[in-house]
Amino acid sequence: TQLLEQSPQFLSIQEGENLTVYCNSSSVFSSLQWYRQEPGEGPVLLVTVVTGGEVKKLKRLTFQFGDARKDSSLHITAAQPGDTGLYLCAGAVMGSSNTGKLIFGQGTTLQVKP
Amino acid sequence: NAGVTQTPKFQVLKTGQSMTLQCAQDMNHEYMSWYRQDPGMGLRLIHYSVGAGITDQGEVPNGYNVSRSTTEDFPLRLLSAAPSQTSVYFCASSYATSGSEQFFGPGTRLTVL
Repeated sequence: TQLLEQSPQFLSIQEGENLTVYCNSSSVFSSLQWYRQEPGEGPVLLVTVVTGGEVKKLKRLTFQFGDARKDSSLHITAAQPGDTGLYLCAGAVMGSSNTGKLIFGQGTTLQVKP
Repeated sequence: NAGVTQTPKFQVLKTGQSMTLQCAQDMNHEYMSWYRQDPGMGLRLIHYSVGAGITDQGEVPNGYNVSRSTTEDFPLRLLSAAPSQTSVYFCASSYATSGSEQFFGPGTRLTVL
């Protein structure tokens, strides 16, 4: 069974602070995605990382894929209340090139207080 | 485009009742899937389909059936509901390639008494 361990599960910080969310596995993934989910809605894709060592930036969010394609991190700089939500990492299973099958982490609930 | 639609939004069942959660997408996506979301457990894959007429089991398939008679529709059936099936259910669709973005529906909140 392929697992994605996400940490921390809960994070409550003040506006303006920085934070990092981690996503780790013993399995290799062909790509890794990060989603954000707001209450009462389905997850929405933030980014996909494909190459080992890849770094992608989306405004104040920085995403990194580990060199071995087993782990990833999401770093938020100067968090704002609008960043509040559930963040999910999801790995594309190796050999699933024709299925689109994803394995999801447990999620990180982020609360940013004004 | 409506994207991925799910009905109903909320449902309460008694133990042993059956029901079908509906899912439809208008993006001509080949890949569709059903997930359940429980606190602290992220999204767990129930069943998925790579095209019309083809379905396969995911991580937690017991107690659920699916069929895919058309590209657009992917209903999820609970044959005999149990309290352990109380959860939020999400349907998703994507192009059937590794790393493709999954588009999620708004979810169905199911309570089994």
